[in-house]
Amino acid sequence: LAKTTQPISMDSYEGQEVNITCSHNNIATNDYITWYQQFPSQGPRFIIQGYKTKVTNEVASLFIPADRKSSTLSLPRVSLSDTAVYYCLVAPTDSWGKFQFGAGTQVVVTP
Amino acid sequence: DADVTQTPRNRITKTGKRIMLECSQTKGHDRMYWYRQDPGLGLQLIYYSFDVKDINKGEISDGYSVSRQAQAKFSLSLESAIPNQTALYFCATSGPRGEAFFGQGTRLTVV
Repeated sequence: LAKTTQPISMDSYEGQEVNITCSHNNIATNDYITWYQQFPSQGPRFIIQGYKTKVTNEVASLFIPADRKSSTLSLPRVSLSDTAVYYCLVAPTDSWGKFQFGAGTQVVVTP
Repeated sequence: DADVTQTPRNRITKTGKRIMLECSQTKGHDRMYWYRQDPGLGLQLIYYSFDVKDINKGEISDGYSVSRQAQAKFSLSLESAIPNQTALYFCATSGPRGEAFFGQGTRLTVV
């Protein structure tokens, strides 16, 4: 399984864009990159998934360079409610159960 | 109704007692999982099941057992609870694309 590295914490102000970069140097050809959000005492919530280039949905954008050794989750115009832990996961979708969640990135948004 | 429902939401039990945590899902997915989360840490995989007849140990299965009663139901048992099993437990299910849906969690305290 590809090991991932992401910052432990990030601070931001309301209205700013937050970019969280995840490194995954040994990503495999059939691996997908998935990001989850977790609020305290709640289960993680799927945010976005991608394989290459750029993926955008109503919540976030995911940028993946050509070599796929890293990925960046972009949260546009964050609000206080975006304060959460964000996890980057890399694995083939057919063996999702073997995912290993790291400590994630704690994002704190202040007024 | 929630896609993944866990019962109970909170439980306090004594050391040595047997306890069962239940999980049901309405997504119609074959894959189900049990995770444990300790304060400030990521999720650790306890057991996972890719279908009713396929059950696998995760990273930290010692002291736990599971039962997959049906496609929609996956229960976790602690045969003889001990204090260091005090944690937040999450059940999850995922579809073929790897997008996972988590339950609300069960906060278990072993005294």
